[in-house]
Amino acid sequence: NAGVTQTPKFRVLKTGQSMTLLCAQDMNHEYMYWYRQDPGMGLRLIHYSVGEGTTAKGEVPDGYNVSRLKKQNFLLGLESAAPSQTSVYFCASSSVTPTGLNTEAFFGQGTRLTVV
Amino acid sequence: AQSVTQLGSHVSVSEGALVLLRCNYSSSVPPYLFWYVQYPNQGLQLLLKYTTGATLVKGINGFEAEFKKSETSFHLTKPSAHMSDAAEYFCAVSDPFTGTASKLTFGTGTRLQVTL
Repeated sequence: NAGVTQTPKFRVLKTGQSMTLLCAQDMNHEYMYWYRQDPGMGLRLIHYSVGEGTTAKGEVPDGYNVSRLKKQNFLLGLESAAPSQTSVYFCASSSVTPTGLNTEAFFGQGTRLTVV
Repeated sequence: AQSVTQLGSHVSVSEGALVLLRCNYSSSVPPYLFWYVQYPNQGLQLLLKYTTGATLVKGINGFEAEFKKSETSFHLTKPSAHMSDAAEYFCAVSDPFTGTASKLTFGTGTRLQVTL
């Protein structure tokens, strides 16, 4: 019952460093998402993917890149980390019902990133 | 565009008292509505959802919510609070149609405190 797994769970970066967050889901879901959670702001969508090889921008995409080379994985990259990217990052996935409607999203446990 | 407003960033109730967490939304299409719960240092867990049909929906842990289209509301209630209900609660809205995936728009969250 792995569901959505995020690695790493914690990371501290220095300003200007790069890193990649990995999200893996074992539910064969078509859609995957990256959100960031900041105090008092709820969760905001960074990027999302509607299928293997496709990505799209969400509400707050600047400073991030994503890739979905395999259906089960969705990577979030920070090329040059900034203190403003200190946040908790959540990956989620969802699917489509046989009647063609969206299902609910399932979330990973989060990655707590601190940029100093 | 969709938006969600959660009234009250912090709500405190006594154990055994009624829990009422408010959520109002705006959406240009009939939305899907969700309540998620987040326990400390955890990911988001789905409490309940409204898609179509019955407007009163029951979720896990004794929670329920009623979709009121005329009031554009989806308030979360529980008749009797338990200490274990202390957590942060997020209301979210999404478009049901697959062309836009299940991109969720979240409210800013309500932290529920339960006191003895």
